Amino acid sequence: DTAVSQTPKYLVTQMGNDKSIKCEQNLGHDTMYWYKQDSKKFLKIMFSYNNKELIINETVPNRFSPKSPDKAHLNLHINSLELGDSAVYFCASTPESGISSGANVLTFGAGSRLTVL
Amino acid sequence: AQKVTQAQTEISVVEKEDVTLDCVYETRDTTYYLFWYKQPPSGELVFLIRRNSFDEQNEISGRYSWNFQKSTSSFNFTITASQVVDSAVYFCALSGDRDDKIIFGKGTRLHILP
Repeated sequence: DTAVSQTPKYLVTQMGNDKSIKCEQNLGHDTMYWYKQDSKKFLKIMFSYNNKELIINETVPNRFSPKSPDKAHLNLHINSLELGDSAVYFCASTPESGISSGANVLTFGAGSRLTVL
Repeated sequence: AQKVTQAQTEISVVEKEDVTLDCVYETRDTTYYLFWYKQPPSGELVFLIRRNSFDEQNEISGRYSWNFQKSTSSFNFTITASQVVDSAVYFCALSGDRDDKIIFGKGTRLHILP
């Protein structure tokens, strides 16, 4: 049973389209994230939600809109896709912050490769 | 501002050699956490280790060892007797205690040649 699952795994679309990537975690974690990994492998944080509340928004264009219907789900909707949006998008989750050994450890999904033509 | 620097973009070594991956960090937080993640060619991101800023003990896990030195703000990772399966991109990451932001270095691509 996959801990953090993302769908779809691959997404190929035309410029200007709108698309969504879904993420679900069954770990009971409180915090979920979206990271973007570009072609040079740079991993950059985009958003973070704690218990459905947005806590980190890292200067991402407002074409990107995260939505968290409950603490186990964090979806990413992208409007008016551009060529530069092509990347692998990783969803991740962490348990409650703190000094316990498991805290702050990201569990990643397998990634969703978005290709914009 | 928090920052993680992995100065080595790419390293190639021959199998069975030892290799050290460097990580230097910047933070104003008193309490912080350092991590290493591995991304093999298959693409998934795998957690390797977490250290908190109060624990400077070095750690060894099999062929892997980590050297945390607050005096030089470094958290280096050594693979002893490298194997081809160690070929991957390795990321160092940092998290402070003021928010849940976990930031990554740009990664070091490690090639282990047979």
